[in-house]
Amino acid sequence: GALVYQYPRRTICKSGTSMRMECQAVGFQATSVAWYRQSPQKTFELIALSTVNSAIKYEQNFTQEKFPISHPNLSFSSMTVLNAYLEDRGLYLCGAGTNSDYTFGSGTRLLVI
Amino acid sequence: GDQVEQSPSALSLHEGTGSALRCNFTTTMRAVQWFRKNSRGSLINLFYLASGTKENGRLKSAFDSKERYSTLHIRDAQLEDSGTYFCALGTGGYKVVFGSGTRLLVSP
Repeated sequence: GALVYQYPRRTICKSGTSMRMECQAVGFQATSVAWYRQSPQKTFELIALSTVNSAIKYEQNFTQEKFPISHPNLSFSSMTVLNAYLEDRGLYLCGAGTNSDYTFGSGTRLLVI
Repeated sequence: GDQVEQSPSALSLHEGTGSALRCNFTTTMRAVQWFRKNSRGSLINLFYLASGTKENGRLKSAFDSKERYSTLHIRDAQLEDSGTYFCALGTGGYKVVFGSGTRLLVSP
C-alpha cells in the first residue's frame, strides 16, 4: 500500500536556528508533494506545492527564503524551516500523490525554544 | 471564504457512548480523508473515501459529494479515542482543504 513517512516525528530547535524535515513516499510515485503547517489553535495551512518538473508554488505568507523545499525524485521531498522562531512552531504535514488523492504522513512536530 | 465547515468544534463523550462529526463543504470535492491527531501530535489516517461509506471497527465514515458533506461516526467510545479529529477534502486539483478540527474528550 501507499505510505508516507515523515522524519523526524518531533523535534526541538533553538530560536534562530534551522530545522530540516523529510517526507518519504513508499509504494507509489509522488509526482506532487504538498507541505502544510498547523499552528497552535489553527487549522492546517498549505505552505507550498511541489510538482516534479515544475516550479515549487508557495502560498501567500510562505516563501522559499523561509521554507526552502527540495523534491529531487518521485519518492522524496524535504523542507527546511530557516531561522525558526516561536511563530514557526506547530505540526508540519506532507501529503504526496499524483492528484488530490493524497497520502499523508504523520507529521513533524516542531517546538521552538 | 472557508470551503469546509467542521462541527462540532469540541465534543465530550462518556465511555461506551457515541456521536458523529460532520464536515460540510461549499464547493465540489472529490474525496475526503479523516485523521485523528493524538496526544503526541502525530496524525493517524482513519479513512479515505471518494464515495459511499466505510467502516473500521467502531468508526464509520460517509461521503456525499452531491449533498456536500462527510460524517465520521464513533460508537462505543473509548478513552484512547480522545484527540482532535480533522477532515480533509480534495478539490480535484492539488490542493486539499482541512476542516478546523473537533476536539474529542472521552471520559470514564
